[in-house]
Amino acid sequence: DVQLQESGPGLVKPSQSLSLTCTVTGYSITSDYAWNWIRQFPGNKLEWMGYISYSGSTSYNPSLKSRISITRDTSKNQFFLQLNSVTTEDTATYYCARRDREFAYWGQGTLVTVSA
Amino acid sequence: DIQMTQSPASLSVSVGETVTITCRASENIYSNLAWYQQKQGKSPQLLVYAATNLADGVPSRFSGSGSGTQYSLKINSLQSEDFGSYYCQHFWGTWTFGGGTKLEIK
Repeated sequence: DVQLQESGPGLVKPSQSLSLTCTVTGYSITSDYAWNWIRQFPGNKLEWMGYISYSGSTSYNPSLKSRISITRDTSKNQFFLQLNSVTTEDTATYYCARRDREFAYWGQGTLVTVSA
Repeated sequence: DIQMTQSPASLSVSVGETVTITCRASENIYSNLAWYQQKQGKSPQLLVYAATNLADGVPSRFSGSGSGTQYSLKINSLQSEDFGSYYCQHFWGTWTFGGGTKLEIK
């Protein structure tokens, strides 16, 4: 069965970069689908952040385009999120998810707090 | 960008009742809509895709309907495990979620 697991620091200082890893088991990220990052803010609003496709192409939410980068390591079946110049407004639970048109598989999520 | 307006924001209901949650898109999304259930402290789980299709393992008391800009999720005979939050999400050009509906026990 497909499983996704987020990992990374739970606390990031303002102006620094947020870096998270999504480790996928049970399916190769180079076989098919788009591999996404989604975040959920306090108050529960969900925001799609971007994806890297099975072929390596990327697409980002325009609201984040200048600060976000999604990359991958196919040898480890992992993909990564980097969000630069974070502020307290980037405090959220970050999820990785596999998508066809809908998000059928999600990681458990990791809370990232931006605070000095 | 397409906006998704979900209503109601919260709902207090009893076990056994039937509820309907609606989602309105700012333009036609051609049934490219999914519904998710989220329990406290857990990740969202897919319930319905392409507006009307139940995801694997989803009980038949759940049903999705709609077209164009108006969509609904109906839950017949609510069970205790159905309480939580529900989100619609469109996939037409980009991926946007509705604001959510919190379903609470009366």
